[in-house]
Amino acid sequence: GDSVTQMEGPVTLSEEAFLTINCTYTATGYPSLFWYVQYPGEGLQLLLKATKADDKGSNKGFEATYRKETTSFHLEKGSVQVSDSAVYFCALSENTGNQFYFGTGTSLTVIP
Amino acid sequence: EAQVTQNPRYLITVTGKKLTVTCSQNMNHEYMSWYRQDPGLGLRQIYYSMNVEVTDKGDVPEGYKVSRKEKRNFPLILESPSPNQTSLYFCASSSLGRSYEQYFGPGTRLTVT
Repeated sequence: GDSVTQMEGPVTLSEEAFLTINCTYTATGYPSLFWYVQYPGEGLQLLLKATKADDKGSNKGFEATYRKETTSFHLEKGSVQVSDSAVYFCALSENTGNQFYFGTGTSLTVIP
Repeated sequence: EAQVTQNPRYLITVTGKKLTVTCSQNMNHEYMSWYRQDPGLGLRQIYYSMNVEVTDKGDVPEGYKVSRKEKRNFPLILESPSPNQTSLYFCASSSLGRSYEQYFGPGTRLTVT
């Protein structure tokens, strides 16, 4: 079945450091891929998405590229801020868009 | 304000006592879904609904029921809760065809003793 695997956390970085959170997926078809962010005490919010191979999703300085050959969708940001401290979830949905599969989440803490 | 609301936000109950967690959205979304979030397991989909009277099982539907009698509401029912259903529950909604852009509620923390 479909699944998402993302790197274990927690991750602690200093402000302005480079961020990479790895995500790989298994899917039977051609899924859409997403990154969601969860701030403390809140529900999840869509951060970015990519719906086909080689698409790059971007938002708020975060980027991720849909790599079909490596079945990956790694999240990157060039310079993190304290306000980026949150839990990040990689997710996929098959083309029907009905069922979603989330990774286990990666907690990021950015220290000044 | 566009939002998804859940009630209650916190609930402590005992094994076997039926409970309902309500979910309501004011965005006229067709698609609604329930998830549970557990440490080390991420979010897992329980049930989803494409429209009124149309529901389907997600990854972990055992022990749960849902109904979709109105477009705005999608309650989650635990007929006989057990301790392994202790979890953080999220409701989400989206427009059909854009189901990836899900809007999540604030969560309901349920403890079953």
